[in-house]
Amino acid sequence: AQSVTQLDSQVPVFEEAPVELRCNYSSSVSVYLFWYVQYPNQGLQLLLKYLSGSTLVESINGFEAEFNKSQTSFHLRKPSVHISDTAEYFCAVIESSSNTGKLIFGQGTTLQVKP
Amino acid sequence: DGGITQSPKYLFRKEGQNVTLSCEQNLNHDAMYWYRQDPGQGLRLIYYSQIVNDFQKGDIAEGYSVSREKKESFPLTVTSAQKNPTAFYLCASSGRTESSYNSPLHFGNGTRLTVT
Repeated sequence: AQSVTQLDSQVPVFEEAPVELRCNYSSSVSVYLFWYVQYPNQGLQLLLKYLSGSTLVESINGFEAEFNKSQTSFHLRKPSVHISDTAEYFCAVIESSSNTGKLIFGQGTTLQVKP
Repeated sequence: DGGITQSPKYLFRKEGQNVTLSCEQNLNHDAMYWYRQDPGQGLRLIYYSQIVNDFQKGDIAEGYSVSREKKESFPLTVTSAQKNPTAFYLCASSGRTESSYNSPLHFGNGTRLTVT
């Protein structure tokens, strides 16, 4: 069975510092990977996704994630965070051969950016 | 603007009452999903539907029921059999077809249900 582990429940960081949110997954088959962001009392928004091709994927607001098949990881990084990046971040996975469309989510990591 | 509308945003009920959460989408998506979110537990799938008049149980379906009579609508009923109904409920949809499961989920803004 697939699973997703986000290794940190909370990550405090100062504004303009770099950050890494860690995500590891468990699957014996090929997968697609996603990062979602959730602001307080809102739904989730897609941040970026890995389907195939280049293992480094980027979002429009400066985040990037790298798919590492050998380490089964998909860590999210940003070189310089802003106060507005404060939110909860979810890593998610789905088998690329899935016929149900069911995403498996990690437990979430709360990014707290301090001034 | 296309999107998913969940209503109401906050809902309060007494224990023992059934309650129905609304989810409507105008994205013309085939697949719709209900997730439950609890602090520190991520999102857990309750029910999902890939086509009108058909739906399947997710990982935590006990105490919940759904219907999918229209493509646009996927209401969730939290019954009195659900032992811990207080949670944040999220509805999502995707344009997935049988040959394409890489379309991202689009989420509504959620309904926060409190049962006392």
